[in-house]
Amino acid sequence: GAVVSQHPSRVICKSGTSVKIECRSLDFQATTMFWYRQFPKQSLMLMATSNEGSKATYEQGVEKDKFLINHASLTLSTLTVTSAHPEDSSFYICSAYRDTTYEQYFGPGTRLTVT
Amino acid sequence: AQRVTQPEKLLSVFKGAPVELKCNYSYSGSPELFWYVQYSRQRLQLLLRHISRESIKGFTADLNKGETSFHLKKPFAQEEDSAMYYCALSGFRSGGYQKVTFGTGTKLQVIP
Repeated sequence: GAVVSQHPSRVICKSGTSVKIECRSLDFQATTMFWYRQFPKQSLMLMATSNEGSKATYEQGVEKDKFLINHASLTLSTLTVTSAHPEDSSFYICSAYRDTTYEQYFGPGTRLTVT
Repeated sequence: AQRVTQPEKLLSVFKGAPVELKCNYSYSGSPELFWYVQYSRQRLQLLLRHISRESIKGFTADLNKGETSFHLKKPFAQEEDSAMYYCALSGFRSGGYQKVTFGTGTKLQVIP
C-alpha cells in the first residue's frame, strides 16, 4: 500500500520559535496533501489543503500566517508553525491524496510540544 | 456545509456480540462516505468506503440516503477490533480535490 511519512515524529520547542514538519509520499506522487490537527481524545480537524505549485487553501479560523504550508514538489509538503505558543501544542497529521485510487493515505503524525 | 455525526464516544461490546457504530451525515450534494480506523499507536487507515461496497475484516456499511446514515456493522466482534473508528465524508469543491470531514470518532472496546 501507499506510504506517507512525517518528520519529525516528536518535537519540543520553546515558545516563540518556529517548527517545520515534513510530510512525504514515499511511493506515489500527490498533487494534493492535507494537514490536520488532532487534540487529545478529539477528532481530526482539517487545517488546510496543500496544493503542489500553488497556494494552500486554509480552513476557516486557521491563521495562514501562523501555519505556513509549502508544497514544493509532488512528494513533499511542509507545515511550519511560526512563533509557536503552548496552545499550538498538538498532534499534527498529514495525508496525501492519491489520484489513481481516489484515496487519502495518512502519515503517522507529529507530536508538537511548545514549552 | 458538510457535517458528520457519531453520537457514541465509546461503545463496549462482548466478544462475539454484534457491533453497530452509528454515523449520520449532512451534505447538500452526493457524498462519498468512508470509515477509518485507528488502532492503538498506529496511524489512521481506511477501513472501507461506500462506493466499494465490500466487506473488510468482517465489517460492512451501507449508505442510506433517506436517513443520511452510514452505520458500520459487524455480526461478531473480535478483540482485535478494539480501536478508534472515524466516519468521514468527502465532498468536492472547486479545484476538483476532495475535502474530507471527519466525525468525532467512536472508541470500540471489545470485552473478552
